Parts: sequence; C-alpha cells; structure tokens
Amino acid sequence: QSALTQPASVSGSPGQSITISCSGTSSDVGSYNLVSWYQQHPDKAPKLIIYEDNKRPSGVSNRFSGSKSGNTASLTISGLQAEDEADYSCCSYAGGTTLVFGGGTKLTVL
Amino acid sequence: QVQLHESGPGLVKPSETLSLSCSVSGYSISNGYCWGWIRQPPGKGLEWIGSIEQSGSVYYNPSLKSRVTISVDTSRNQFSLKLSSVTAADTAVYYCARNPHSRNGVQTTLHYFDYWGQGTLLTVSS
Repeated sequence: QSALTQPASVSGSPGQSITISCSGTSSDVGSYNLVSWYQQHPDKAPKLIIYEDNKRPSGVSNRFSGSKSGNTASLTISGLQAEDEADYSCCSYAGGTTLVFGGGTKLTVL
Repeated sequence: QVQLHESGPGLVKPSETLSLSCSVSGYSISNGYCWGWIRQPPGKGLEWIGSIEQSGSVYYNPSLKSRVTISVDTSRNQFSLKLSSVTAADTAVYYCARNPHSRNGVQTTLHYFDYWGQGTLLTVSS
C-alpha cells in the first residue's frame, strides 16, 4: 500500500483556476468511487471538501470540484481566492478495509 | 453539531506505548459510523492509522498493524488509540475523525472523514 502521488506545490493568481492531481493505482483510485479531498490551513485540522470522487459537503463552495480519470483523481478550484491558500490532500479507499492518503499539495495564491 | 476532541500525554519516551483518547460530543458512537485515527508528522502528509466500528470491529493500516490497538467505549462515547514501541518517527499531530462507511455482507468499505478533532501533538523523546 503506497501513498497516492500529488505534486508538492501548485500556484495561481486570484480569479484563475488550478487543478491538483492525485495519482494512484488500479487497486485504489481506479477501483472505487471513493476519493476524498481535504483542505488544511496552517496549524488547523483538515476539512473535507470533496467526497466520493465529486460530491461536495453542505457549505463547501461550488468553486471546488472533483473528477477522476482512470487511476488519477483531480481537484479543481475555480475563481481562486486568497483564502484558498492552504495544503490539499487526497485520500482513497484501497481495498481490504484500508485507506491511503496522498502526500499533500501546497497551494500558493500569488 | 458533531465535535471530537483528542487528549493525550504530549510527550512519550522511546520504546514506550502512547495512549490517546478521542471524546465525541453531539453524536452517540452507538448509533453507527466508523471512527478513525490519522496522524501527520511535522511538515509531512497525512497517514491513516486505523478505524473502528461501534461494534468493536477494527481496521488497521498494514504498515502499523503490529503496533496499533484501537478500542471503543460506547458508555463514555469515546474511542482510544494505543501505539507500542514508539520511536522518534512516531512524533506527529494525531487526529481523530468520524469515518463514514458502508457494509456489503461481511465486507466493510471505508469512505472519508467528515468531522475532525483539532489534533494533539505527540512528541517521542527521552
């Protein structure tokens, strides 16, 4: 069971859109519609922003969207805002009643 | 509103066993859901440690399974984590979280973490 692969960092200007990738395998991301995404501001607990690949919890901005193609999931943030600057982590069910996280991506809003 | 709160010693010596508890308010553990532990070493990514159902069925990260014990106390509405033989590599912020799941016959599928505690820093040092 290896960690999912995310880029270490991404950046964008206010108003732009950015996409963060989360690469897994046919044993995790590619086999289940169970990818979730978390936003984490410095010294804060993670916050669920996407679950089951593309569903948004109540109260989460529709600027956040999730998608998946094959073994790679993606998080897109549109209309980038300063408050979006944070770390983003993906997580997937990996079979055998186990979960695996990605290494996290630091988003910088320029 | 579901709230979770971790508590623990803050500092543990190498080779000892760390013990953490997570108190849940706003929801009765007996009513369902899995409940999980996740950790984050300083400057690193999140790592799933394990999850437990209200029935007591437990599921562990294979890489930590030999050292981890998760238990639930429904009467106190809390669940706990024990990690044995700790080393400096176990220094991390430890989070507890609610872990929605589904069941298909005997197979349990874990989904995501929707409510998180604020986290507690556990340092392993002599």
